[in-house]
Amino acid sequence: DIQMTQSPSTLSASVGDRVTITCRASQSIDNWLAWYQQKPGKAPELLISKASTLQTGVPSSFSGSGSGTEFTLTISSLQPDDFATYHCQQYNVYPWTFGQGTKVEV
Amino acid sequence: QVQLVQSGAEVKKSGSSVKVSCKASGGSFNSFAFSWVRQAPGQGLEWMGGILPMFGTPNYAQKFHGRVTIIADGSTRTVDMELSSLTSEDTAVYYCASRVERSTGLVFWGQGTLVTVSS
Repeated sequence: DIQMTQSPSTLSASVGDRVTITCRASQSIDNWLAWYQQKPGKAPELLISKASTLQTGVPSSFSGSGSGTEFTLTISSLQPDDFATYHCQQYNVYPWTFGQGTKVEV
Repeated sequence: QVQLVQSGAEVKKSGSSVKVSCKASGGSFNSFAFSWVRQAPGQGLEWMGGILPMFGTPNYAQKFHGRVTIIADGSTRTVDMELSSLTSEDTAVYYCASRVERSTGLVFWGQGTLVTVSS
């Protein structure tokens, strides 16, 4: 199975900060990577597909980059609604696998 | 507008089985690819398996092979996930999720179903 490793596990930030989360794959997944946002007690929501394609309705403050084994999710200016947990997921090969999540907190 | 609605919370004994249902409304059922993803308390997301109703053949994560069964029924627009030989480690919220285009991640998610396994 492809292992997905996110860093950091927890990130302390303030409103207006630029935030970057890294996701590394144990082998190349081309650009078949998705990012999700999850708030407590809620289902995840898809933010980004194919490493950098924003889902409709996602603020342009979110961006994704990378290919192969290293990927980043960047929030250019953190807003109050952005405090949440972020998950990366590879969907290049079965079984699909997720990173362990990054909690962005105040 | 695609909506996935899951069956309600379950409390099960160790060693028993649980079936969670996911009913899809909106869109063309056979054009979806469905997945089941679970999340243990305080933990990350774990993909269990998926199915394309058009083809009917499921894919399972090796970890769950032999214990999980995913079936799609186009007549009822429902995807069921059954997990057997439950242990306390199976206590989790189970999500049904889907996508239409192969290029995207999981776009549509159910509300989640809490399965609690007690001894």
